[in-house]
Amino acid sequence: KQEVTQIPAALSVPEGENLVLNCSFTDSAIYNLQWFRQDPGKGLTSLLLIQSSQREQTSGRLNASLDKSSGRSTLYIAASQPGDSATYLCAPDQTGANNLFFGTGTRLTVIP
Amino acid sequence: GAGVSQTPSNKVTEKGKYVELRCDPISGHTALYWYRQSLGQGPEFLIYFQGTGAADDSGLPNDRFFAVRPEGSVSTLKIQRTERGDSAVYLCASSLIKNTEAFFGQGTRLTVV
Repeated sequence: KQEVTQIPAALSVPEGENLVLNCSFTDSAIYNLQWFRQDPGKGLTSLLLIQSSQREQTSGRLNASLDKSSGRSTLYIAASQPGDSATYLCAPDQTGANNLFFGTGTRLTVIP
Repeated sequence: GAGVSQTPSNKVTEKGKYVELRCDPISGHTALYWYRQSLGQGPEFLIYFQGTGAADDSGLPNDRFFAVRPEGSVSTLKIQRTERGDSAVYLCASSLIKNTEAFFGQGTRLTVV
């Protein structure tokens, strides 16, 4: 069964800093990988989806990379803002049908 | 609609009772998913619908859980003889087709007392 680990579990940074969130997964046979953010008591907001054939995806201040063979993905956030404070979850897709496996996430706090 | 809508947002029920949770996906999305999130954990996959049929129900924990999507749009997750361990946030998501970005609703927080 796929296992997903996210490091660090929690991260606190001052506003304006660039930061990297790490995700590792045990089974490299994936179709794609998605990054989500979750605000307290809320659902998940999709940030980026990387297909297995891609190496990276960018959206605004976010850049996600995927090294499928080594079972790793990173989410880079540039010029962090207090509004970026949330839990960030990565989720590889084993079946190509959004059968997503989630880790417990990284809880990010950006201090004004 | 603008996003995935789930009702109710909160549900408190007594142990042993039957509950139904509703999901309205984004209009035009053919794929619909149910996930369950326990406190402090990431979501866990329950079931995936392609159109009206359950294409993958491997995540349903036991036969007390059942889901339907009779017209290929709205879906209902049904839980019989609820147990305290069923308490969690139940999340619904939809995507245009499979293998595309999944959009999640706000969830239904189920508490079994």
